[in-house]
Amino acid sequence: SAVISQKPSRDICQRGTSLTIQCQVDSQVTMMFWYRQQPGQSLTLIATANQGSEATYESGFVIDKFPISRPNLTFSTLTVSNMSPEDSSIYLCSVELKGSLYEQYFGPGTRLTVT
Amino acid sequence: KQEVTQIPAALSVPEGENLVLNCSFTDSAIYNLQWFRQDPGKGLTSLLLIQSSQREQTSGRLNASLDKSSGRSTLYIAASQPGDSATYLCAVSTGANSKLTFGKGITLSVRP
Repeated sequence: SAVISQKPSRDICQRGTSLTIQCQVDSQVTMMFWYRQQPGQSLTLIATANQGSEATYESGFVIDKFPISRPNLTFSTLTVSNMSPEDSSIYLCSVELKGSLYEQYFGPGTRLTVT
Repeated sequence: KQEVTQIPAALSVPEGENLVLNCSFTDSAIYNLQWFRQDPGKGLTSLLLIQSSQREQTSGRLNASLDKSSGRSTLYIAASQPGDSATYLCAVSTGANSKLTFGKGITLSVRP
C-alpha cells in the first residue's frame, strides 16, 4: 500500500470562491483519479489526472469548473471553481500503485462545505 | 452503462453473527471488483480485490466471492464485531482507464 495525503482535510468556503485540493502519494503511481461523494451518495468519478497533460473528464464534469493538474507522478491538485452550495461534498483522490494489479487506494478525503 | 446495486442500504446485526453483503452489476465484462470500507466522514479503505478470472479472495474474517456471469459478488464477514460497523462499498472496473463504478454502499451496524 501507500500513504496518500490530502490537503486540506476540510474547509468551509463562501459561494463564488475557489478551493484547491492537493493530493500527494509516497509511492510510485501509475494512475491518479479524483472522485466526488455528495452527502448520502456514493462516489462519482470526476476525472483521471494525466501527468503533464490535460485531465480526462467524465460526463457532467468540465475543466472550467474542476481544473486539475498533475505536474509529476505523485502529486495532483483539483480546484473547485466558482463554488455554490451544491458543490458541498467530500472530494477524494485515488491512485493505482505501480505493480498493484489495478487495485485502487484512496486518500482520506477533503470535506468541503459551501455557504 | 455499468450500474452497481447494493441492497439493503442498511443492516443491523448482533455481535458474533456471520453475515453476507450483496453486490450486483449490470455489465459482466468487468476487469476486477473491489470491496471498500468507509467510516463516517473518512476516506475509503480497500478490503479485497477480485480479478475477473478469480472466484474468491480471503483476508482474515472477510471472504469475497465473484460470479461474473451472473453479475454478482458477496462479501462474507465471519463473527462480526462492533468494530466492523461502517459502510461497505462495492466497485467494479471495466478496464477502460481503470475507472471504478461504485454502488451506494451498505451501512452495517453491529450491536454489542
